[in-house]
Amino acid sequence: GESVGLHLPTLSVQEGDNSIINCAYSNSASDYFIWYKQESGKGPQFIIDIRSNMDKRQGQRVTVLLNKTVKHLSLQIAATQPGDSAVYFCAENTNGNQFYFGTGTSLTVIP
Amino acid sequence: KAGVTQTPRYLIKTRGQQVTLSCSPISGHRSVSWYQQTPGQGLQFLFEYFSETQRNKGNFPGRFSGRQFSNSRSEMNVSTLELGDSALYLCASTDREVGHYEQYFGPGTRLTVT
Repeated sequence: GESVGLHLPTLSVQEGDNSIINCAYSNSASDYFIWYKQESGKGPQFIIDIRSNMDKRQGQRVTVLLNKTVKHLSLQIAATQPGDSAVYFCAENTNGNQFYFGTGTSLTVIP
Repeated sequence: KAGVTQTPRYLIKTRGQQVTLSCSPISGHRSVSWYQQTPGQGLQFLFEYFSETQRNKGNFPGRFSGRQFSNSRSEMNVSTLELGDSALYLCASTDREVGHYEQYFGPGTRLTVT
C-alpha cells in the first residue's frame, strides 16, 4: 500500500524564524501533492499544492519543495507566526485516485 | 464560493445504534471523499463518490457506507456503532471534471460512541 510519512512528529520554532516541515512518500508514481494545516477542532485547510512536473512552488509565506529523486516533500514557512501553530499534513495522489496522508507534524510557535 | 459544509458538527451515539452524516461540497464540485480521523490512526480514507457512483473505497468494514445525490451532496452511514468508531469524520470535495485535484475539507463531524 501507500506510505506517506513525516520525519518529525513535533516541531517547535521561535516566532519570526523559518519553519521546515518534511514528508517522505513511497510511491514514485505519485504526481500530485498537497500540504494541509489543521488547527484544533477544525478540518484540514488547504495550504499549497505541487505537481510532479515541478520541484518548487511558492505561495504567501510558504514554499513547497519536491525532490522526486529521494521522494521527499517539504513545506517551508517564512517568518513563522503564532497563528501558524497547528498540525501539518502532506497528502499525495497518483493519477487522480485517492489521497494518502502522512501522520502529521505538530508545529508550535514560541512567542 | 461557500466551503464544504458538514452536518451535524457533533453527535453522541450509543453502541449498536446507527448514524448518518451529511456533506455538501463546494458548488460545482462533483467528487466527495470521506475520511475518518483518529489520534492513533490519523486520516484514513473511507470512500469517494463522483457523479453518484462510488469511485474508490478504503479498507473499512461494510458497516460504513455512503451515497451521493444528484446535487453532489453526500451522506455516509455507519451501522451497528462500536466504541472504536468514535472519531472526527471529514468530507472533502474536489473538482475533478477539469482535471484539478485540489481537495478541500469541511469542518468535520465529531462522533462519540458511548
